[in-house]
Amino acid sequence: NAGVTQTPKFQVLKTGQSMTLQCAQDMNHEYMSWYRQDPGMGLRLIHYSVGAGITDQGEVPNGYNVSRSTTEDFPLRLLSAAPSQTSVYFCASSYSEGSSGNTIYFGEGSWLTVV
Amino acid sequence: AQTVTQSQPEMSVQEAETVTLSCTYDTSESDYYLFWYKQPPSRQMILVIRQEAYKQQNATENRFSVNFQKAAKSFSLKISDSQLGDAAMYFCAYRSGHTGKLIFGQGTTLQVKP
Repeated sequence: NAGVTQTPKFQVLKTGQSMTLQCAQDMNHEYMSWYRQDPGMGLRLIHYSVGAGITDQGEVPNGYNVSRSTTEDFPLRLLSAAPSQTSVYFCASSYSEGSSGNTIYFGEGSWLTVV
Repeated sequence: AQTVTQSQPEMSVQEAETVTLSCTYDTSESDYYLFWYKQPPSRQMILVIRQEAYKQQNATENRFSVNFQKAAKSFSLKISDSQLGDAAMYFCAYRSGHTGKLIFGQGTTLQVKP
């Protein structure tokens, strides 16, 4: 998954704590997105962005905030962590221009446990 | 809103045999793309095959092919000559040609028996 970097890879939080999952890509991709994957489940879209300054909600946005101040970075913020947010989080990016069939690159995932 | 549904939580196939994974989707858009992704235990997301909605011809990639039925909104994946390395979770995905938004089905776990 060269090109999309997620940090941290593992994190344990206490209920009510806040944290930010970082996602960075160096491919000048306009499109970036965040997903969560619960055990045995598919990836559910949290938020996505089609360019700097533009974000939109996905399927499960509650409890998460995002911003896109640069093309390279798309951080995901948990304002007050809850046990229901225990999951594996994936960041993904791709070019937007020309075709939505463009290859989508995924990060390696961030394992988050909220206790 | 668009949705993707995979109705088979688990499937199994004998090595060297053929298996078909089902996927249906719902959309009112005319411009979209469909994908199948493979996720092994490492959680890496691997693109298996891609289909443009405007193309009538079914996509093929080596042992992997799709049956794209646009009117029925069906997009199944056929794996021929199954190999042990094909064992993984498979996700069907829909990408809007308008917003670029990509959404996934619930996944199908494929077991390959030797």
